[in-house]
Amino acid sequence: GAVVSQHPSRVICKSGTSVKIECRSLDFQATTMFWYRQFPKQSLMLMATSNEGSKATYEQGVEKDKFLINHASLTLSTLTVTSAHPEDSSFYICSVDGRLNTEAFFGQGTRLTVV
Amino acid sequence: AQSVTQLDSHVSVSEGTPVLLRCNYSSSYSPSLFWYVQHPNKGLQLLLKYTSAATLVKGINGFEAEFKKSETSFHLTKPSAHMSDAAEYFCVVSGGLSGGYNKLIFGAGTRLAVHP
Repeated sequence: GAVVSQHPSRVICKSGTSVKIECRSLDFQATTMFWYRQFPKQSLMLMATSNEGSKATYEQGVEKDKFLINHASLTLSTLTVTSAHPEDSSFYICSVDGRLNTEAFFGQGTRLTVV
Repeated sequence: AQSVTQLDSHVSVSEGTPVLLRCNYSSSYSPSLFWYVQHPNKGLQLLLKYTSAATLVKGINGFEAEFKKSETSFHLTKPSAHMSDAAEYFCVVSGGLSGGYNKLIFGAGTRLAVHP
């Protein structure tokens, strides 16, 4: 199966700054990647679908100008949290290859803390 | 629309005793169903998946799940719990296609605690 590497695993930033999270598919060309957010003791919520070479598709209620997604190559998608606020503190996870009837492969996740 | 309900937010068992994590789903068509496990501050690992083949699905680490269409259930079981099984477990249903890819819908999760 696909190996997905997510970086960084943890980041602490000051309120108002921007943070970039990388998701790499190490052995699979992923035209589509998914970004999820997980609040403490809650489930994963899909934020957006990242499409290689085109604009991301955002789920309802997710601000596209705040959560910038770039999928410039078949192996890399980035999520940038712009002007971060404490309420953006969460666990962010990416996944690749959710083709119908096959499993999705997840990155290790990024714990973002905004202070 | 597809949805999934995990009936227990917390389950606590003793080491060596059986594990049962309950999941019910709602789907307007024949679904694909998955169980994932998440250890603290880690990504998700697939335990097993049902994709309209055998209704009893065997996964890794001794886990298995049975798809019961009449009950719209996909409960996860293990005969004997191990301390290392303590984690968060998610039941997941395919939510239809998103640009040709499977859109996953997660249950709220069940935290499994295993006591010596």
